[in-house]
Amino acid sequence: AQTVTQSQPEMSVQEAETVTLSCTYDTSENNYYLFWYKQPPSRQMILVIRQEAYKQQNATENRFSVNFQKAAKSFSLKISDSQLGDTAMYFCAFQGNNAGNMLTFGGGTRLMVKP
Amino acid sequence: DAEITQSPRHKITETGRQVTLACHQTWNHNNMFWYRQDLGHGLRLIHYSYGVHDTNKGEVSDGYSVSRSNTEDLPLTLESAASSQTSVYFCASSDGGTAYGYTFGSGTRLTVV
Repeated sequence: AQTVTQSQPEMSVQEAETVTLSCTYDTSENNYYLFWYKQPPSRQMILVIRQEAYKQQNATENRFSVNFQKAAKSFSLKISDSQLGDTAMYFCAFQGNNAGNMLTFGGGTRLMVKP
Repeated sequence: DAEITQSPRHKITETGRQVTLACHQTWNHNNMFWYRQDLGHGLRLIHYSYGVHDTNKGEVSDGYSVSRSNTEDLPLTLESAASSQTSVYFCASSDGGTAYGYTFGSGTRLTVV
């Protein structure tokens, strides 16, 4: 079974600075997908960014980018120019091609952006 | 616009009562999922369905059941609510054919007293 680990339960960053959230995973599959979800206080789960394992190029979405290290099974999220609205819970998730395409989540990192 | 809705948004119930949480999606997705969210555990899979009349147990299925009588709905039933089932519950759906993750509902906060 796949496991996803987020080793930082809480982090904080000053507004306009850069922060990196860590995620590691364990799988025996070669083709899979990785995601970062944002959960603001509204509780809504919002997809931030996704990465396909067979693509070497790191995904980017505006201020959000990932550092995908397939051999190390690492998938970190970098938030540049942090904004107050980035304050949220962030979840890393794994989706393989086996086991019915189910999403497996990490325990989450609570990020606070300070003014 | 297509959406996935959960109801109620909040519920308080007593220990031992049967509780049903509703999930309705208009995406016409075949796959539907129920997760619970607890601090430090992220989201854990309770039950899932790949289509009408199909249901499967997830990682934390004890004390829960689901039924799928149509494409749109996957209600989650707590047979006899326990305090350990106090949590936030999320329903999600996907078409299963792509790798864009899931579409989530807005969650139900359930408190068992």
